[in-house]
Amino acid sequence: GIQVEQSPPDLILQEGANSTLRCNFSDSVNNLQWFHQNPWGQLINLFYIPSGTKQNGRLSATTVATERYSLLYISSSQTTDSGVYFCAVNAGGTSYGKLTFGQGTILTVHP
Amino acid sequence: DGGITQSPKYLFRKEGQNVTLSCEQNLNHDAMYWYRQDPGQGLRLIYYSQIVNDFQKGDIAEGYSVSREKKESFPLTVTSAQKTPTAFYLCASSPYLLDRGFQPQHFGDGTRLSIL
Repeated sequence: GIQVEQSPPDLILQEGANSTLRCNFSDSVNNLQWFHQNPWGQLINLFYIPSGTKQNGRLSATTVATERYSLLYISSSQTTDSGVYFCAVNAGGTSYGKLTFGQGTILTVHP
Repeated sequence: DGGITQSPKYLFRKEGQNVTLSCEQNLNHDAMYWYRQDPGQGLRLIYYSQIVNDFQKGDIAEGYSVSREKKESFPLTVTSAQKTPTAFYLCASSPYLLDRGFQPQHFGDGTRLSIL
């Protein structure tokens, strides 16, 4: 099946810093989603981005489908950005919409 | 408000006991999914269902069972054969569009299950 690798595994920032999280995947995808899991375990949809670039406030994401990677940019980070960021992909075909998740990037933002 | 409701939030089970986790959605989504998250790990698919009365095994289906008798409901039973001590269970749903396939998944708030 499709493999998803995220980097870095851990990231520690001071408030106000910018960061880039990366997601590499091993095959073509129909769907790519970025999620933020907060300390209470809630999984928050950030972006649905199988290709192209999207922005939402301080967050933006770019997926280059032909090169099989996606980037999540966080600018002017805040302590509330702390948590785990997951990339998840759907490979299409007979995968019936199921998502394959990466292992996540643990982000800690210090005041 | 539309959304996905999982209950209970916390559940403890004794060894040898079966328990059922509830997942209800009022988004009119066709597909529903169950994922398990082990501590410090990503999510893995247990079961999924595209339509009522049909469901398929995911990557880690052993020790679990599901039913899909109604579009809005997809309960998961964790049987005594499932030995994972503590895990976080997340339910998701997504719409299906004929011309574009499955759309983004939306998740409930999860159920944390521990074995006593």
